[in-house]
Amino acid sequence: GAVVSQHPSWVICKSGTSVKIECRSLDFQATTMFWYRQFPKQSLMLMATSNEGSKATYEQGVEKDKFLINHASLTLSTLTVTSAHPEDSSFYICSASMDRESEAFFGQGTRLTVV
Amino acid sequence: QKEVEQDPGPLSVPEGAIVSLNCTYSNSAFQYFMWYRQYSRKGPELLMYTYSSGNKEDGRFTAQVDKSSKYISLFIRDSQPSDSATYLCAMRWNKLIFGAGTRLAVHP
Repeated sequence: GAVVSQHPSWVICKSGTSVKIECRSLDFQATTMFWYRQFPKQSLMLMATSNEGSKATYEQGVEKDKFLINHASLTLSTLTVTSAHPEDSSFYICSASMDRESEAFFGQGTRLTVV
Repeated sequence: QKEVEQDPGPLSVPEGAIVSLNCTYSNSAFQYFMWYRQYSRKGPELLMYTYSSGNKEDGRFTAQVDKSSKYISLFIRDSQPSDSATYLCAMRWNKLIFGAGTRLAVHP
C-alpha cells in the first residue's frame, strides 16, 4: 500500500506552547487528508477533513483556532495544536487519500503529552 | 444514533477459528467501505477496501457489503495469534468515519 509518514511520533511539550505535527504522503499525491484524535481504547474521532488548497472542514465541537490545519501541497498537511493544555494530550493520526473515491492510508500517529 | 455501529468486543477465539466482524451504518450516502487493523499505539493498517455490494476476498480475509441492509462484515479464516489486534470498519463519502473497533484475541 501507499506510504504516509507522520512526524514526530511522540512529543512532550509544556502547557501553553504550540506543537506542529506533519503528515506526508511519500509515494502518491494526496488530494484529501483527514486528521483524527484517539484516546486510549477508543476509536478514531475525526477532527477535520482537508483538501489541498482549500480550508479544512472541521467536525462539530473541534475548535478551528486551536487546531490549525494547513494542506498547502499535495504531499503535506500539518496540524498545529496552539496553546496546548494537558487535556489536549492524546494520540493524533493523519490519513491521506488520492481522491474522494480512493482508500485512505494512515500515518504512524503522534503521541502528544502536554505537561 | 451513531453513524457507524460496531461491537467493541472483546472477542476471544482459538487459533484456526473463523472470525466474523460486523458493522452497521445509518447514512446511505456512504459509498466506500474499508476495514483496518490497528495494533496498540500504531496507526491503522488498511486490510480491505470495497465500494459495491458483494464479497471481496484477499488471502484469509473476506469483506462483505450489503448496502440494502447497511451492513458490512469482515471474515478471517484460519485465524492466527498474530491476528490479535483491534479491527476497525470505516466508511466514506466526503468524510471517513470509523466504527468503535472490535478487539480480537486469538489464543493458541
